Amino acid sequence: GAVVSQHPSRVICKSGTSVKIECRSLDFQATTMFWYRQFPKQSLMLMATSNEGSKATYEQGVEKDKFLINHASLTLSTLTVTSAHPEDSSFYICSARDLSVLSTDTQYFGPGTRLTVL
Amino acid sequence: QKEVEQNSGPLSVPEGAIASLNCTYSDRGSQSFFWYRQYSGKSPELIMSIYSNGDKEDGRFTAQLNKASQYVSLLIRDSQPSDSATYLCAVRLSSASKIIFGSGTRLSIRP
Repeated sequence: GAVVSQHPSRVICKSGTSVKIECRSLDFQATTMFWYRQFPKQSLMLMATSNEGSKATYEQGVEKDKFLINHASLTLSTLTVTSAHPEDSSFYICSARDLSVLSTDTQYFGPGTRLTVL
Repeated sequence: QKEVEQNSGPLSVPEGAIASLNCTYSDRGSQSFFWYRQYSGKSPELIMSIYSNGDKEDGRFTAQLNKASQYVSLLIRDSQPSDSATYLCAVRLSSASKIIFGSGTRLSIRP
């Protein structure tokens, strides 16, 4: 099956610093990747849709200048949390669509990155 | 009205019994439906996808879709303690490429 990796799996940083999270599709090409955030005991909330070679589409209420998304290649998307604050502490999960499987449009999830801002 | 609705649970089912999880959605034009399982502290993993009305079976899991009623369900036969997790229903909206998730149902299988 399709594999999506994320790095780092866990990060602890001081308030005010920026954190970059990488999402890679390992065995397929993903023209579209998605970034989700999940707070404890809550469901996944879509933050933005990342398209290779173009600007990301952000969901309502998500600050695009704070959460910078870059999708530079068909296998890599990055999310940078700029000037992180404690309220940004959350579980960030990326997913990617494997469009090579013509009969389905399944999204596969990375293992997630747990961000803790002190 | 939420786009994808699930009962948050917890749903407690004895080991060996059938667990039934339900989900309703608001976008009548939606065509793709998914069930994901999420263990605490982990990311979701795909259990099943379903695109046509009726039942789709995969091992102990059966997904059921009724587009007229805007309803999708997941049955887990012979429930095992390892099935204890949060089950997320997800729907791809007809107007966009994004998938919207329900809030999830916590399932607990008691020995």
